[in-house]
Amino acid sequence: SAVISQKPSRDICQRGTSLTIQCQVDSQVTMMFWYRQQPGQSLTLIATANQGSEATYESGFVIDKFPISRPNLTFSTLTVSNMSPEDSSIYLCSVEDNVYEQYFGPGTRLTVT
Amino acid sequence: GQQVMQIPQYQHVQEGEDFTTYCNSSTTLSNIQWYKQRPGGHPVFLIQLVKSGEVKKQKRLTFQFGEAKKNSSLHITATQTTDVGTYFCAGPRAGAQKLVFGQGTRLTINP
Repeated sequence: SAVISQKPSRDICQRGTSLTIQCQVDSQVTMMFWYRQQPGQSLTLIATANQGSEATYESGFVIDKFPISRPNLTFSTLTVSNMSPEDSSIYLCSVEDNVYEQYFGPGTRLTVT
Repeated sequence: GQQVMQIPQYQHVQEGEDFTTYCNSSTTLSNIQWYKQRPGGHPVFLIQLVKSGEVKKQKRLTFQFGEAKKNSSLHITATQTTDVGTYFCAGPRAGAQKLVFGQGTRLTINP
C-alpha cells in the first residue's frame, strides 16, 4: 500500500489567515482525495484531485475557500483560505491504491482561533 | 442522496466480550469496505468485500456482506484493548469513484 505523509501535522492559526497543507505519496497515483473530519465525526469528502485536471469539489465546498493543486502524480496541496473557527478540524488526504481501496495520510489537525 | 448508516454509534464492552457493528446502505453496493481509526490516528483500510454473501476473516475479525449487497457487518470475537477505535464502513458512490462513509462505531473496552 502507498505511504503518505502530510505537512504540517498540526497548526494553530488566526482567523482570517490561510494555511496550505501538503500531501506527499511514495508512489504515483491517479486519484487523490481530501477529506475533513470534525472531532468524533465521520469523514466528509472535500474534493477529488486528479493530476492534469481541475479538482472536483463536493457540495458545500468551493474552490475559493479550498483551492487545491495537483502538480504531479505524487503530490497535492489543499489550502484553507480566510479561516474561521468553524474550519477547525482534521484534514486528511488519501489515495486510491486498488479500486476503491483508500489509504490515508496521518492528517493535519487545524485549530483556528 | 445515497446514505450509509452504521449502528451502534458507540459500544462499550468488557475485554474478552464480543463486538458487532452493522452497516446499511440506502442503495445496492458493488463493494463495501471497512476501516479502523485508532484514537488520534487516521483511518486504516481493513478489508473490501465484493461478492453477495461474502464472508472474510482476519484473525478475530469476521466481515460479512449481505446477500442483497446493501448491508454488512463486522464482528470481533473476544475483544482486546488493541481493538479500541472507531470502525467505519464505506461504499462507493453510485456512478463515481468516491466513497461514502458511515458515521462509524466507536468501540471502547474496559480492561
